[in-house]
Amino acid sequence: DAGITQSPRHKVTETGTPVTLRCHQTENHRYMYWYRQDPGHGLRLIHYSYGVKDTDKGEVSDGYSVSRSKTEDFLLTLESATSSQTSVYFCAISDRGQGSYEQYFGPGTRLTVT
Amino acid sequence: QQQVKQSPQSLIVQKGGISIINCAYENTAFDYFPWYQQFPGKGPALLIAIRPDVSEKKEGRFTISFNKSAKQFSLHIMDSQPGDSATYFCAASMIGSGGSNYKLTFGKGTLLTVNP
Repeated sequence: DAGITQSPRHKVTETGTPVTLRCHQTENHRYMYWYRQDPGHGLRLIHYSYGVKDTDKGEVSDGYSVSRSKTEDFLLTLESATSSQTSVYFCAISDRGQGSYEQYFGPGTRLTVT
Repeated sequence: QQQVKQSPQSLIVQKGGISIINCAYENTAFDYFPWYQQFPGKGPALLIAIRPDVSEKKEGRFTISFNKSAKQFSLHIMDSQPGDSATYFCAASMIGSGGSNYKLTFGKGTLLTVNP
């Protein structure tokens, strides 16, 4: 398995509170992605990073921000959590330089906003 | 706008049967089409992938068929087994341009159940 960890694995929080999810990789891969998974919607890209301090928006970025200060860490922040952000969040990594286009996914974080 | 449409949403197959999942895409710039498999409580994992320069790719019991003119591709699972029961996602990306940063656009997924 690719060396990807996500923390926390489960979190329950209240509406309006800030939440930060962490993705940590030990593979030194350049690209990192945050997805959310919801029934009936599949996986949707929130934000992605193509290098340290280089990030961009995905298709469902409203209400989310990200930061990448080190190659190994990619943080996803919900500035003020809403019930619509209840979801399972997956981090993924990839590295074109390895000659593969595969994205390796982490184990996921289940977030519940009450 | 959903760029990758996947069907069916769910599929029940008997052990030993053939499972077929279909996807259609709209963006002709897509040039990489992977299938991911996800078991409950786990992250998705790459199963098999195809580039548009070939019409079919086979790996063991899993085959991707690709129709560039119809903008469709499908996953066939031969001799389906109960252990294949999982959610399957098709996806598409524009890897040739590089500027896409290899983002994946996913279909909504198909829940496959293989009965013993």
